[in-house]
Amino acid sequence: GEDVEQSLFLSVREGDSSVINCTYTDSSSTYLYWYKQEPGAGLQLLTYIFSNMDMKQDQRLTVLLNKKDKHLSLRIADTQTGDSAIYFCAAFTTPGGSQGNLIFGKGTKLSVKP
Amino acid sequence: DSGVTQTPKHLITATGQRVTLRCSPRSGDLSVYWYQQSLDQGLQFLIQYYNGEERAKGNILERFSAQQFPDLHSELNLSSLELGDSALYFCASSVAAGLGQPQHFGDGTRLSIL
Repeated sequence: GEDVEQSLFLSVREGDSSVINCTYTDSSSTYLYWYKQEPGAGLQLLTYIFSNMDMKQDQRLTVLLNKKDKHLSLRIADTQTGDSAIYFCAAFTTPGGSQGNLIFGKGTKLSVKP
Repeated sequence: DSGVTQTPKHLITATGQRVTLRCSPRSGDLSVYWYQQSLDQGLQFLIQYYNGEERAKGNILERFSAQQFPDLHSELNLSSLELGDSALYFCASSVAAGLGQPQHFGDGTRLSIL
């Protein structure tokens, strides 16, 4: 089945760019998502990209998709201390022709140092 | 605020007991999803309902069951609880049940089994 992998930790300085990487295994995954989870809170949908796109930009967020390598990245420009959180990558997959569901990575904890 | 409401926020109970978690989806959303988040397993998809009908099933144990009511709220019932069921349980909702519909998450119910 689908497997989604992320590095567990990333530390950056305030004002720098952050790049969070994700790989997935199911080449038929159609939608790929980034969610943000702050302590004690639920998952906030940040952005998503359809598999026929290479890039999507939304204010400080840029998503890059390399479908050949099954690699997704989230770039946060001008990272702020308020961006400190866990970021989850998720892939929508339809195993065995089923209705499909979201498979999440384990999350990358982003720490932003002032 | 995602618009998805989950109650209660915290539940503490003992092994062997039964609990019910409740979820109200965003206004206009017909599909409800349940997820379990634990440290070792990460975020796991449990089950999806669409307009009152079960739509997709993930890694849901037989001791767990769910339903979606005519007013579209959903309940997740967990019975014969074990220590390993301690986790954060999230509900998410989406407009429809179609391919890759963005899911919006509630703040979760933290279940602690003593």
